[in-house]
Amino acid sequence: QVRLQESGPGLVEPSGTLSLTCAVSGDSITSDNWWAWVRQTPGENLEWIGEVYHSGRVIYSPSLKSRVTMSIDKAKNQFSLTLPSVTAADTALYFCARIRTYDYLMDYWGQGTLVTVSP
Amino acid sequence: QSALTQPPSASASRGQSVTITCTGSIRDIGVYNYISWYQHHPGKAPQLLIYEVTERPSGVPNRFSGSKSGTTASLTVSGVQPEDEAEYFCGVYAGDYKLFGGGTKLTVL
Repeated sequence: QVRLQESGPGLVEPSGTLSLTCAVSGDSITSDNWWAWVRQTPGENLEWIGEVYHSGRVIYSPSLKSRVTMSIDKAKNQFSLTLPSVTAADTALYFCARIRTYDYLMDYWGQGTLVTVSP
Repeated sequence: QSALTQPPSASASRGQSVTITCTGSIRDIGVYNYISWYQHHPGKAPQLLIYEVTERPSGVPNRFSGSKSGTTASLTVSGVQPEDEAEYFCGVYAGDYKLFGGGTKLTVL
């Protein structure tokens, strides 16, 4: 069974950097799948942030492309998200997910981690 | 690209059927069949219910079904059960990006 677990600080100060990690079990981070981040802001739609492949190739949402960085840690079988210069608008429930390469399907998700941007 | 539109809430009595819609545009749902539906209980990982409009992963009860007409996708729950009370959201792969709906809270009366 594939499982994903997000981790990281639940509180980040404005203008600080949001850093999250997603630990993967039941699958290898080097398998033929992409690994994604999605967030749900209060009262808003889910928003695709971007995705990363084990080769290091990344695809980011145009709306966040200028700020976001995703990377893979093969040794720890995990991937990460970094978002600098955060504001209150970045307060959200952040999910990580696996994307099947052959049909672009997000088939497994983590339970999400709430990140609040506040002084 | 705009997000997908779902009604914020829906309700049904146990045993009844309910349909949740997901409206997009000619640039996403209207042209792509990579449409999926998820069930989300708060505090738990979203679970895949439907993919490629109508396909159901193994283990998902057959009371869940999906369809599409034009720029609107739909999820139907036939014979709603108490454990179906949850949030349901749709998603679509539209080439260079992925879009999601805002979620529909299903209440089982």
